[in-house]
Amino acid sequence: GAVVSQHPSWVICKSGTSVKIECRSLDFQATTMFWYRQFPKQSLMLMATSNEGSKATYEQGVEKDKFLINHASLTLSTLTVTSAHPEDSSFYICSARDDTGDTEAFFGQGTRLTVV
Amino acid sequence: KQEVTQIPAALSVPEGENLVLNCSFTDSAIYNLQWFRQDPGKGLTSLLLIQSSQREQTSGRLNASLDKSSGRSTLYIAASQPGDSATYLCAVLMDSNYQLIWGAGTKLIIKP
Repeated sequence: GAVVSQHPSWVICKSGTSVKIECRSLDFQATTMFWYRQFPKQSLMLMATSNEGSKATYEQGVEKDKFLINHASLTLSTLTVTSAHPEDSSFYICSARDDTGDTEAFFGQGTRLTVV
Repeated sequence: KQEVTQIPAALSVPEGENLVLNCSFTDSAIYNLQWFRQDPGKGLTSLLLIQSSQREQTSGRLNASLDKSSGRSTLYIAASQPGDSATYLCAVLMDSNYQLIWGAGTKLIIKP
């Protein structure tokens, strides 16, 4: 199957700093990528839909100025958590849909963010 | 609004048993349904994808069925092994906006 690479797999940062998470589709093009967040023992929650070349669409309750999404190419989307706080500590997962495929979603490995 | 429910929330069974995980959804206008596996602290692994026109898919010891009209899917695991211990999530892809709607998952523990 197709591969989505997410980097870094884990990161610890100080409160007030910004963290960038990358999501790359390695062997396919993805016009659309999705960013999810998962709190412990809860299901995944969609944060935003990232569209190549245009502004991301954020879900209700997600601060777009805090979670900056850039989808500058058909193989790369980035999520930047700005001015991170301890409550932003979570597991972030991206997924990408192959433009030529049957809409199966391919997922990155996830990034565990800990803000101290 | 689509809602996806997974029952049970947790399941613990002895090794070797066959088991069934359930997933139900309220809106039958889905494009497809996927079953995923998530190991603690890790990302997701896609297990099976069933298109809305299909009734089942099989991969190894796993078999997933889909009854779109009744809004139900089951994941059957044969001859369970300790390595099958994980959280299993189902998600439906909506026909209207191609977004995935997730269930809360079933945490499965296979006891040696």
